[in-house]
Amino acid sequence: LAKTTQPISMDSYEGQEVNITCSHNNIATNDYITWYQQFPSQGPRFIIQGYKTKVTNEVASLFIPADRKSSTLSLPRVSLSDTAVYYCLVGDKAAGNKLTFGGGTRVLVKP
Amino acid sequence: DSGVTQTPKHLITATGQRVTLRCSPRSGDLSVYWYQQSLDQGLQFLIQYYNGEERAKGNILERFSAQQFPDLHSELNLSSLELGDSALYFCASSAGTDHTEAFFGQGTRLTVV
Repeated sequence: LAKTTQPISMDSYEGQEVNITCSHNNIATNDYITWYQQFPSQGPRFIIQGYKTKVTNEVASLFIPADRKSSTLSLPRVSLSDTAVYYCLVGDKAAGNKLTFGGGTRVLVKP
Repeated sequence: DSGVTQTPKHLITATGQRVTLRCSPRSGDLSVYWYQQSLDQGLQFLIQYYNGEERAKGNILERFSAQQFPDLHSELNLSSLELGDSALYFCASSAGTDHTEAFFGQGTRLTVV
């Protein structure tokens, strides 16, 4: 069963750009790629969603190559408050298009 | 505040018991999703309802069931509880069927002792 995988953790410094890549080899054909941010003891919070190419909103950008087997969340100029766990979410074709989260990437932003 | 309300916030119960978790979606949202988050399994999709009908099923155990009522609130029933069912249970809602911009509640922390 294909998995949706992300790096376990990343460290960064205030003001830097953070890029987190999610691998999803068996993404469902018509499914979107969604990224969430989660702080301790809170529910995940929607950040951005895309289908292909590039999507940008006021907090992040999402880069999706043509084959859609991966996606990269880009957080520009992070601050201490961006310290959180970031999850990608896709529909997994191998699992009957079940919504599947990656394992989450713990981002630590240092001063 | 996401607009999604989950009750109760905390629940402690014994093995073998049955509990019901409740979720009120954001106003106007027709889809409700249930997720389980545990330390060893991460975030797992359990089930989705759309306008009262089951839409998609994930890793939901047979001991668990859910439903969405005509007023669109949803309940997740967990029975024959085991220690391993201890987890955070999240509900999310979205306007459509495809998890576009789903909003999560604060979760119910279930502890089975």
